[in-house]
Amino acid sequence: DTGVSQNPRHKITKRGQNVTFRCDPISEHNRLYWYRQTLGQGPEFLTYFQNEAQLEKSRLLSDRFSAERPKGSFSTLEIQRTEQGDSAMYLCASSPLTRLGTDTQYFGPGTRLTVL
Amino acid sequence: AQKITQTQPGMFVQEKEAVTLDCTYDTSDQSYGLFWYKQPSSGEMIFLIYQGSYDEQNATEGRYSLNFQKARKSANLVISASQLGDSAMYFCAMREVSNQAGTALIFGKGTTLSVSS
Repeated sequence: DTGVSQNPRHKITKRGQNVTFRCDPISEHNRLYWYRQTLGQGPEFLTYFQNEAQLEKSRLLSDRFSAERPKGSFSTLEIQRTEQGDSAMYLCASSPLTRLGTDTQYFGPGTRLTVL
Repeated sequence: AQKITQTQPGMFVQEKEAVTLDCTYDTSDQSYGLFWYKQPSSGEMIFLIYQGSYDEQNATEGRYSLNFQKARKSANLVISASQLGDSAMYFCAMREVSNQAGTALIFGKGTTLSVSS
């Protein structure tokens, strides 16, 4: 039984470059979430998918951020034209589709992005 | 608006002692869920325990228990018999109930727990 995996674990990029992160959820989980965590803060919700449908994307931080989950399995988060303020930990989580309130989210190890 | 408050930036405890990490929340919803996660220095968020607002008994999971006081809107985490491996950041979170945000979690700022021998 494998957990949520994320790749890469670390990414260093120069300002202005595009970056893409991948998340592989727990196989039977329908829901997939992306969060951002900056130093000294709790995670901040960005977007989520139910199967391949992106049901909430208004919390993406700017139009430079986009996410996909094309076949309802893995997901990618892309940041275009990175800025130094994008430096953070990007966390992915997945949960099964259960009755409201008990869909516990299980997190991956995160991708730490550093923008120089 | 929903909010989670963790007022203890850091807590220190000796091995084998119990420790309570505080969490208060604010919501106008009648149905909600509260979670605690542990984040070691490696970065992964590890689920510890869940409490539903309609659960009549406090949740327990091994050495973890949740002291849920609904009227005071508090959901404190109690760790019994602390171990060195418990040293980590601990986050309290609430399930956001909103048609627009699905089942997103709102997190507090966390409490750093340090366990010494």
